[in-house]
Amino acid sequence: QQQVKQSPQSLIVQKGGISIINCAYENTAFDYFPWYQQFPGKGPALLIAIRPDVSEKKEGRFTISFNKSAKQFSLHIMDSQPGDSATYFCAAIVTGSARQLTFGSGTQLTVLP
Amino acid sequence: GAGVSQSPSNKVTEKGKDVELRCDPISGHTALYWYRQSLGQGLEFLIYFQGNSAPDKSGLPSDRFSAERTGGSVSTLTIQRTQQEDSAVYLCASSRRGDSPLHFGNGTRLTVT
Repeated sequence: QQQVKQSPQSLIVQKGGISIINCAYENTAFDYFPWYQQFPGKGPALLIAIRPDVSEKKEGRFTISFNKSAKQFSLHIMDSQPGDSATYFCAAIVTGSARQLTFGSGTQLTVLP
Repeated sequence: GAGVSQSPSNKVTEKGKDVELRCDPISGHTALYWYRQSLGQGLEFLIYFQGNSAPDKSGLPSDRFSAERTGGSVSTLTIQRTQQEDSAVYLCASSRRGDSPLHFGNGTRLTVT
């Protein structure tokens, strides 16, 4: 119930292409869905987040699409750049609960120059 | 400091020795988390402190692992009688409260020889 399933495990995209990472969840009580970006040797950092009352959130080249009925959400990176090469984690939480964030297993993105 | 600080950044120890890893969270953050990340893997939850509540220790992999948080601030993760499978990066994160964005440190890379 608390799992968040993330795919793909790894992704290789050409510079300028679109990177898409998908996550699915079971717990319908989840109401906050952040994405974290991790560069080698660094801790993950919050990239973008969405709540289920909207279907899409865009920040620059990064967009979260949210499908509440399918219990799925995805990260789209438009015009992918080599500097976007990193590991991306989706996550989910029930805000106000005593539980901690549930993380997906991560996607290693490589953007080729 | 401005961010979550972890020390040491690297630790090499012999099998069977005890180690202590330290985390200084962002000032004023009531929630503190420890995660473990093996090479190329996802984030494995270890323990969660929230204010004065009893910590959520459900992720600790064995009784060789323990953590404390003194005065609601600094936390120490202790691994007793280290084993080679304990080799990983140990990440600490803090947040203003349990359901607000996590701020991660850069981790302690533990190598057990």
